[in-house]
Amino acid sequence: GAGVSQSPSNKVTEKGKDVELRCDPISGHTALYWYRQSLGQGLEFLIYFQGNSAPDKSGLPSDRFSAERTGGSVSTLTIQRTQQEDSAVYLCASSLGDRLGQFFGPGTRLTVL
Amino acid sequence: DQQVKQNSPSLSVQEGRISILNCDYTNSMFDYFLWYKKYPAEGPTFLISISSIKDKNEDGRFTVFLNKSAKHLSLHIVPSQPGDSAVYFCAASGVRGTYKYIFGTGTRLKVLA
Repeated sequence: GAGVSQSPSNKVTEKGKDVELRCDPISGHTALYWYRQSLGQGLEFLIYFQGNSAPDKSGLPSDRFSAERTGGSVSTLTIQRTQQEDSAVYLCASSLGDRLGQFFGPGTRLTVL
Repeated sequence: DQQVKQNSPSLSVQEGRISILNCDYTNSMFDYFLWYKKYPAEGPTFLISISSIKDKNEDGRFTVFLNKSAKHLSLHIVPSQPGDSAVYFCAASGVRGTYKYIFGTGTRLKVLA
């Protein structure tokens, strides 16, 4: 497809379980970002990847959160031992580079019961 | 500490009139600003951006104004259309090459037919 895709679109899990969220960026986009949006809040930066550089993980809220980007393309955000406060919409975006608009995926709505 | 603030959570405007969405920031290092529009169940869509070397950027019905001394930017939509009804986010970036954007909490615009 032409846009950023994310899967699953919805995920309901029980507290304490691990979840994996997937992002397929636009082909050729070197920068990939993860954000989350909690109810009534703005977009909270989590992590970004740029080419082969070390990712900027400064936005990850705890060590239960991790992300990887394989082959400079697909990215997976993993949340271990999920907590109820992890419930949010997780958004992935990609761009050609700095100072260029980001293209967002539709998001994954995570609900932790 | 919210570095990018959108103090109006919602705004209603009559079709055909001007919509003005406001955004304030606190970090004087920010030098690049963007506006995004978000429909329900979709990811944000890039609208328009402005660099700090400018005080105005126009694209069709959308104009962004930047007042650096006041650390304030605004998005004007004229004429407003019902299809403009969405949540609008402003975002800011500082120091070229950081790739990190700080988003506001959004303003929900409703254009009344």
